[in-house]
Amino acid sequence: NAGVTQTPKFRILKIGQSMTLQCTQDMNHNYMYWYRQDPGMGLKLIYYSVGAGITDKGEVPNGYNVSRSTTEDFPLRLELAAPSQTSVYFCASSPGHLEAFFGQGTRLTVV
Amino acid sequence: ILNVEQSPQSLHVQEGDSTNFTCSFPSSNFYALHWYRWETAKSPEALFVMTLNGDEKKKGRISATLNTKEGYSYLYIKGSQPEDSATYLCAFMGSGGGADGLTFGKGTHLIIQP
Repeated sequence: NAGVTQTPKFRILKIGQSMTLQCTQDMNHNYMYWYRQDPGMGLKLIYYSVGAGITDKGEVPNGYNVSRSTTEDFPLRLELAAPSQTSVYFCASSPGHLEAFFGQGTRLTVV
Repeated sequence: ILNVEQSPQSLHVQEGDSTNFTCSFPSSNFYALHWYRWETAKSPEALFVMTLNGDEKKKGRISATLNTKEGYSYLYIKGSQPEDSATYLCAFMGSGGGADGLTFGKGTHLIIQP
């Protein structure tokens, strides 16, 4: 019962560095999402995908990129990390309008 | 940007008491309303998905109602227990279904005091 798996769980980046947050799901869900969670701000949608080969911007996409080459994987790329990207990142998947399943989160600090 | 509001922001309740909190959302282009329970150091877990006006859902001591015409949902917890302490999130899904993502409120942080 793996569900949605995110790696890494923690990461510290220096300003200007790049990294990829990995997300994979084994439930054959078409829809996948990336959210960031900042204190007092709730979950904000960064990017989402409705299927392999299709991605769209959410509410806060600047500074991020995604790809969806397979149904299972939805990596989030940070280019030129900035302190404003310090946050907790959650990947989620869903079979349409039904409940979303979340990964365990990645806590990222940019210094 | 969609406006999904939850109130109160935080709530302290004595063990054994019942409580409720509110989620308000756009009444137009509605598709579904989700409730999630989020414990500290864990990831959100779904409680309910509601799609029809007047919907009522129940899971144990927790229940939820939905009014899509006026754009609000209530979550009720009966006989609160310490394990109910968590942040409760509601999320609005517009008429695109899952294709537009879920727009979350900021949550209600519930603390049950023994």
